[in-house]
Amino acid sequence: KNEVEQSPQNLTAQEGEFITINCSYSVGISALHWLQQHPGGGIVSLFMLSSGKKKHGRLIATINIQEKHSSLHITASHPRDSAVYICAVRSNQGAQKLVFGQGTRLTINP
Amino acid sequence: EAQVTQNPRYLITVTGKKLTVTCSQNMNHEYMSWYRQDPGLGLRQIYYSMNVEVTDKGDVPEGYKVSRKEKRNFPLILESPSPNQTSLYFCASSSPHRDPRQAFFGQGTRLTVV
Repeated sequence: KNEVEQSPQNLTAQEGEFITINCSYSVGISALHWLQQHPGGGIVSLFMLSSGKKKHGRLIATINIQEKHSSLHITASHPRDSAVYICAVRSNQGAQKLVFGQGTRLTINP
Repeated sequence: EAQVTQNPRYLITVTGKKLTVTCSQNMNHEYMSWYRQDPGLGLRQIYYSMNVEVTDKGDVPEGYKVSRKEKRNFPLILESPSPNQTSLYFCASSSPHRDPRQAFFGQGTRLTVV
């Protein structure tokens, strides 16, 4: 079993829909990252969370440390949100090591 | 502008021909790392460095070398590339002392070994 599991693996939605991507992990962490990988391959860090909730524009990320679970929400989704979203946890054992989920491929249709 | 710069972006090479992928960051970050991304396997850590002259193996270090002679640079060396090293490679940097402790990624290097 992977240390970081994301669901769903693929998600297709219509423009304007509310999107939720989930991430569960089994290791102790010091932080959790949500990353966005564009179709061209580049990776951008969206959020780094160690507790609670963060919001940036239409993106919201939450984390529940007790349940070892995080969610990434996108409100009023748009075709430009189409990308692969990757959850990564920073282990509290290894120094600064990131462990990645398999990613969720999101497609937003106009 | 804060950034991590990788070169080259694309590389096709032949088995056994030594190559180096460069990585440079301008944020004075202590921590740098290399990852490879393969279909169905996701991102996996190759090597990481906590600071100058401090490097350690990640999950898939076989066939790779790194060095950290300067804080800003962290090159990835393939002494004798093989086809199973065909992959998309990413360099990343971060600092444990800054808030938010985001990870910054390079643009990626798509390597094909024939």
